[in-house]
Amino acid sequence: KNQVEQSPQSLIILEGKNCTLQCNYTVSPFSNLRWYKQDTGRGPVSLTIMTFSENTKSNGRYTATLDADTKQSSLHITASQLSDSASYICVVSDAGGTSYGKLTFGQGTILTVHP
Amino acid sequence: ETGVTQTPRHLVMGMTNKKSLKCEQHLGHNAMYWYKQSAKKPLELMFVYSLEERVENNSVPSRFSPECPNSSHLFLHLHTLQPEDSALYLCASSQSRDRGETQYFGPGTRLLVL
Repeated sequence: KNQVEQSPQSLIILEGKNCTLQCNYTVSPFSNLRWYKQDTGRGPVSLTIMTFSENTKSNGRYTATLDADTKQSSLHITASQLSDSASYICVVSDAGGTSYGKLTFGQGTILTVHP
Repeated sequence: ETGVTQTPRHLVMGMTNKKSLKCEQHLGHNAMYWYKQSAKKPLELMFVYSLEERVENNSVPSRFSPECPNSSHLFLHLHTLQPEDSALYLCASSQSRDRGETQYFGPGTRLLVL
């Protein structure tokens, strides 16, 4: 069964500090992995997408890494800001027989940044 | 904003009520989705529409009835819901159903069933 596990469940850090969120998956065959940011009271917004051949991708202060061999991804946030407080969701798409793919969602990591 | 709007943003209903959730996308996309988001659980895909045709229904109870009158609008009709149906209902759209396409989400409707 395809699964996406995220850790930690929640994280509290001080403003200006760095942090790393983890995502482990068992989705096979693998197509791509996305990280979404969901602010309270809003829908998720895509941060990055990585395919099998990509090891790292950045979006401003957000850097995602992918190790397709160990089926792990991480999202590193540099110099955190109060606005980074949100839920971060890892989503993996399989490479099924069609072009559509099936998405498997993680349960999210809730990040709280304190001043 | 992402170009996907949902109304109402909040809804409280009794188990015998009938209500509808509305989603509208202004992005010219051809695929639309309904998701259920419960506390501390992963998003659950409910329905997928592609070019106004329902192409996926993930074992959703019949008390949830989707409708897609055109490629810009998506409805979720609710009747005789249960308290466990209380959740955040998210609508999303994408250019197509291809796995490389990004889904753009609306802000959601927070539903409470009493």
